[in-house]
Amino acid sequence: GAVVSQHPSWVICKSGTSVKIECRSLDFQATTMFWYRQFPKQSLMLMATSNEGSKATYEQGVEKDKFLINHASLTLSTLTVTSAHPEDSSFYICSAHNPGPDGYTFGSGTRLTVV
Amino acid sequence: QKEVEQNSGPLSVPEGAIASLNCTYSDRGSQSFFWYRQYSGKSPELIMFIYSNGDKEDGRFTAQLNKASQYVSLLIRDSQPSDSATYLCAVNRGSYIPTFGRGTSLIVHP
Repeated sequence: GAVVSQHPSWVICKSGTSVKIECRSLDFQATTMFWYRQFPKQSLMLMATSNEGSKATYEQGVEKDKFLINHASLTLSTLTVTSAHPEDSSFYICSAHNPGPDGYTFGSGTRLTVV
Repeated sequence: QKEVEQNSGPLSVPEGAIASLNCTYSDRGSQSFFWYRQYSGKSPELIMFIYSNGDKEDGRFTAQLNKASQYVSLLIRDSQPSDSATYLCAVNRGSYIPTFGRGTSLIVHP
């Protein structure tokens, strides 16, 4: 149980375009989801907390107009990287708070490459 | 500021040995403690969670928690090359957002 599906697993886009990443909780309702970014050999960096039905809470230094988060249902949160640039190339991972004892379930991650 | 500290490593151990990974945290109100394993290019996967002081064993893995000293450790017995990965410690207080350490790279050599 407590599966989180993240798509796409990898994407290559041109500089200046936008990319949408989806994160779905498959067998539980997730009122709260989290978006992380991870650069090579670095730890997870929390970007924002996504709350169903309300605005996301962004961490300091994360541009809310560049990283648009929508959490319109109890099972889906999306992250849109707008006007992507090469420096946005990274591994993006979502997670969801699940009601079980283990607490948090991660998606499989999305490798974004901006060329 | 809540902090979770881990030695980045790499920690290198021979196959069959015990690997010991350590984590310290600053928030005394922390209630839940997690160990995740992350292979290169993959997302983290949960190995163990522990809430109470003492040891918790699951197969080859043992998590140890000492709230008074504010540390949590992970022991891997009979280490295998497939255990080579980065191990992330995470800590949270109740329903708050977990705080992750930077991770310790473990290398198990044949």
